[in-house]
Amino acid sequence: QVQLVQSGAEVKKPGASVKVSCKTSGYPFSIYIISWLRQAPGQGLEWMGCISPGNGNTNYTQRFQGRVTLTTDTATTTSYMELRGLTPDDTAIYFCARGVDYLAHWGQGALVTVSS
Amino acid sequence: DIQMTQSPSTLSAFVGDRVTITCRASQSISRWLAWYQQKPGKAPKLLIYKASSLEVGVPSRFSGSGSGTEFTLTISTLQPDDFATYYCQQYNTFPLTFGGGTKVDVK
Repeated sequence: QVQLVQSGAEVKKPGASVKVSCKTSGYPFSIYIISWLRQAPGQGLEWMGCISPGNGNTNYTQRFQGRVTLTTDTATTTSYMELRGLTPDDTAIYFCARGVDYLAHWGQGALVTVSS
Repeated sequence: DIQMTQSPSTLSAFVGDRVTITCRASQSISRWLAWYQQKPGKAPKLLIYKASSLEVGVPSRFSGSGSGTEFTLTISTLQPDDFATYYCQQYNTFPLTFGGGTKVDVK
């Protein structure tokens, strides 16, 4: 069955960077684009961008352009999201999901807390 | 970006009630709309895609309708497991965007 398993919770100081992983299994990794989203405490869902594992092409929302980098490792069928220049406003649960249209398969989420 | 507006933001209902949630897009998205259910501490769960197609395994009491800019999610007979927050999402155009959510709680 399709599974996306994310890395654990992180606590970071303002100005630092964080890298969250998303290990996939149960389907051909290169075929499906992976989206990354986040959800601040008590807030709604925000799509950050996506990456095509087949060719490495990425699409980032303007809000995160220049501050986020999505990558994939086809050998380990893992996708990564790195966010730089963290501020307390980046405190959120970060999700990976398979696809770039409707999202039927999600990781469990990774809580990133930014605090001094 | 396409703005998605859900209403109401909170809905109080009894088990057995018929529940309807509305989602409006700031421009036409054809039928490229999905609905999700989210419970606290969990990832969203896909319920409906392409406005009215039921995801495999989702109970038939959930249904979706609409096209263009106006969409609805209906729960025909609310069950105890349905108390949750519901989100709509458009996938007509990048970036993908979500409605603000509708929390369905116990009346």
